[in-house]
Amino acid sequence: AQSVSQHNHHVILSEAASLELGCNYSYGGTVNLFWYVQYPGQHLQLLLKYFSGDPLVKGIKGFEAEFIKSKFSFNLRKPSVQWSDTAEYFCAVNARATGFQKLVFGTGTRLLVSP
Amino acid sequence: DAMVIQNPRYQVTQFGKPVTLSCSQTLNHNVMYWYQQKSSQAPKLLFHYYDKDFNNEADTPDNFQSRRPNTSFCFLDIRSPGLGDAAMYLCATSRDRQATNEKLFFGSGTQLSVL
Repeated sequence: AQSVSQHNHHVILSEAASLELGCNYSYGGTVNLFWYVQYPGQHLQLLLKYFSGDPLVKGIKGFEAEFIKSKFSFNLRKPSVQWSDTAEYFCAVNARATGFQKLVFGTGTRLLVSP
Repeated sequence: DAMVIQNPRYQVTQFGKPVTLSCSQTLNHNVMYWYQQKSSQAPKLLFHYYDKDFNNEADTPDNFQSRRPNTSFCFLDIRSPGLGDAAMYLCATSRDRQATNEKLFFGSGTQLSVL
């Protein structure tokens, strides 16, 4: 069975600080990887995804993530955070196989950016 | 414009009293999902519909049922809610099954309280 670990449950940063949120997954096969974000009072929305090709993926709002297959990791990064990045961030994995495979989420990381 | 709409935003029910949560979508997507998210936990897939084909997760309790009368609407029925069923219930859609890199479109969720 697949699982996703997000090691940082709460992160507090000042504006302009750099961000890196860890995500590790367990699954031996080929995967699709996602980061979803939930801003306060809003629904979950896709930040970025990886399914093949360049392991460095760029998403919306200056976020990027790097897939490191040997480490089973898909860490999210942003060089300089803004107050508006305050949100909860979820890493998710979908094992690629024939037929339907469910999206498995991590427990999320709450990011608070202070002005 | 909201594309996946969940009503109500907050639902309070009594222990053992049946409750129905609703979800509608304007995307004309084939797949609709119900996720359960308990406090500080990852969203967990309960079941999904691929068109009219219902797919239950193996560990979803029998207490949880779902109906999809047409493409736009999907309902989550909890036959006899227990205290442990208090959670945020998220509805999501995707154009096609997640064997590929399809992203999910989420509603804002219904927060269920059981008294």
